[in-house]
Amino acid sequence: DTGVSQNPRHKITKRGQNVTFRCDPISEHNRLYWYRQTLGQGPEFLTYFQNEAQLEKSRLLSDRFSAERPKGSFSTLEIQRTEQGDSAMYLCASSLAGAGIDTQYFGPGTRLTVL
Amino acid sequence: DQQVKQNSPSLSVQEGRISILNCDYTNSMFDYFLWYKKYPAEGPTFLISISSIKDKNEDGRFTVFLNKSAKHLSLHIVPSQPGDSAVYFCAALTQGGSEKLVFGKGTKLTVNP
Repeated sequence: DTGVSQNPRHKITKRGQNVTFRCDPISEHNRLYWYRQTLGQGPEFLTYFQNEAQLEKSRLLSDRFSAERPKGSFSTLEIQRTEQGDSAMYLCASSLAGAGIDTQYFGPGTRLTVL
Repeated sequence: DQQVKQNSPSLSVQEGRISILNCDYTNSMFDYFLWYKKYPAEGPTFLISISSIKDKNEDGRFTVFLNKSAKHLSLHIVPSQPGDSAVYFCAALTQGGSEKLVFGKGTKLTVNP
């Protein structure tokens, strides 16, 4: 399978704990995005990378959130001191910047539950 | 401020009939629009897109229409099949600026056999 993969698929944690999610994009894609989706809403943009550079961060991304893409391949999203309001589906997408529309392809997501 | 709006939370149609999903937007800087389909516990799957310089794009059973003056687009599925039952999201982006997708809240389509 050469699609976007995310691990873990599900994470249950207690409030105050730190969690880290991983995303492996489609291999030739140079852009990687993180989104968050809560119940009844569409995905909301968090941040994106072009290669290893983080080019934009949403105001939704508080200081407790940090994302990295150290070698321009996989990415990690870490949430420190989790809060119940962090419970959501965290989606990763990748795309190939170049000619035409920059279509983003999504992974299956990581569902986070903070107790 | 909801820049992309899907005002119908749900839609139910009979198998074989046409499904029409609607989307409105407020930001005139959007120049690409995309539709994604999402099944429960899965990520969104790309369906079809349209550039703002076009008014129609067709791919098999799926056609997207864009009315720029009305800031309105629609997705037509003909004929509808039970496997089309999912949540459909409209999304928009401004190419060359921020590359983020701005999504609507989605419309849940149910196709009854």
